[in-house]
Amino acid sequence: DAGVIQSPRHEVTEMGQEVTLRCKPISGHNSLFWYRQTMMRGLELLIYFNNNVPIDDSGMPEDRFSAKMPNASFSTLKIQPSEPRDSAVYFCASSYLLRQNTEAFFGQGTRLTVV
Amino acid sequence: SQQGEEDPQALSIQEGENATMNCSYKTSINNLQWYRQNSGRGLVHLILIRSNEREKHSGRLRVTLDTSKKSSSLLITASRAADTASYFCATDNTGNQFYFGTGTSLTVIP
Repeated sequence: DAGVIQSPRHEVTEMGQEVTLRCKPISGHNSLFWYRQTMMRGLELLIYFNNNVPIDDSGMPEDRFSAKMPNASFSTLKIQPSEPRDSAVYFCASSYLLRQNTEAFFGQGTRLTVV
Repeated sequence: SQQGEEDPQALSIQEGENATMNCSYKTSINNLQWYRQNSGRGLVHLILIRSNEREKHSGRLRVTLDTSKKSSSLLITASRAADTASYFCATDNTGNQFYFGTGTSLTVIP
């Protein structure tokens, strides 16, 4: 398996624009996580899906952020409208629930810069 | 916040020395995991210790867990320059959600 695949790797956008980040989890995994990493706040869990259903989105910072998982092999994180303070590295991770004590597998991240 | 906290924030050692990082957390856990992140890359899983375990080894890594103190330590023995990275602890609560600490930046000087 190629691992968790995120796209794009880098995104530069202007304030007010819509940004869509994409993630393909590892085949067979049924849990998917979106994280945001900044120097100030470290790694923050934004939202967690299990079997394509959002289980906990309490980490989503504002209504400008939304995430979907239309099927087991694809998820998106959308920011609309984007703001400079959204600049960060966004990571997607997947794991296999049903078996406790499993690890999370991370993608390479999307570095978002909002100017 | 459910995030853990690593200590120290930054650590610089000579190649061949041992590196010890600590992690404290706040809630009950199923397990605690350590991850490594090289600059500009995603996190890579290193080792997992279950809540009923006290110590675990994997190669040059040794992890301890004290659930009464809600703390864990990661020891890297005989460090190498290639060990230079940031190290994070992550707690897995019953909901199978992984909450990460703020990380320890390790620099191993050749």
